[in-house]
Amino acid sequence: DSGVTQTPKHLITATGQRVTLRCSPRSGDLSVYWYQQSLDQGLQFLIQYYNGEERAKGNILERFSAQQFPDLHSELNLSSLELGDSALYFCASSPHQRGGRETQYFGPGTRLLVL
Amino acid sequence: DAKTTQPPSMDCAEGRAANLPCNHSTISGNEYVYWYRQIHSQGPQYIIHGLKNNETNEMASLIITEDRKSSTLILPHATLRDTAVYYCIVRVAGSQGNLIFGKGTKLSVKP
Repeated sequence: DSGVTQTPKHLITATGQRVTLRCSPRSGDLSVYWYQQSLDQGLQFLIQYYNGEERAKGNILERFSAQQFPDLHSELNLSSLELGDSALYFCASSPHQRGGRETQYFGPGTRLLVL
Repeated sequence: DAKTTQPPSMDCAEGRAANLPCNHSTISGNEYVYWYRQIHSQGPQYIIHGLKNNETNEMASLIITEDRKSSTLILPHATLRDTAVYYCIVRVAGSQGNLIFGKGTKLSVKP
């Protein structure tokens, strides 16, 4: 158990819909990362938040957005869903270590199926 | 972050040591070598990391060559539960950025 929790575990929805995935980082971790894993793309970085502010963006579509709240949990919002958005979505968290060797700890993921 | 090269797949007999190689010939002096694994669609799991000295923890050992251009992850007594995809990643020390995952090595531990 990494200490990172994600809800829901599974999500089935239809094209055009909007869903919200939730992530609670490990206690004390300030950084949250979102990754997408589809069958043909492997693990792809989407976006990072640090202490409530967006820190870095990867290959995140404009239809997707995220935020990190004051209690440090994060939500990933996916809208106008398409079949190709079906994937595993992972959240990871890491502590902020000045000059340190930061390690990311991953949650169990949310499996999204768009029909 | 530097690129890594790993064999796509390896087999190992249960109870034997599993030695997973990684080539990172363009690694910079301030880049660490990290290993993660992913067991069948679960979240990636951190295993170990190192800079230039060999490292050991309760899960594995990491051997880094003196020129730091390659490394080997060693699972001393592989079990069926070690069947997973193993990712070797290099990244700058203190980096707060994302991990870049390649295709990794699919390790199959067989009875």
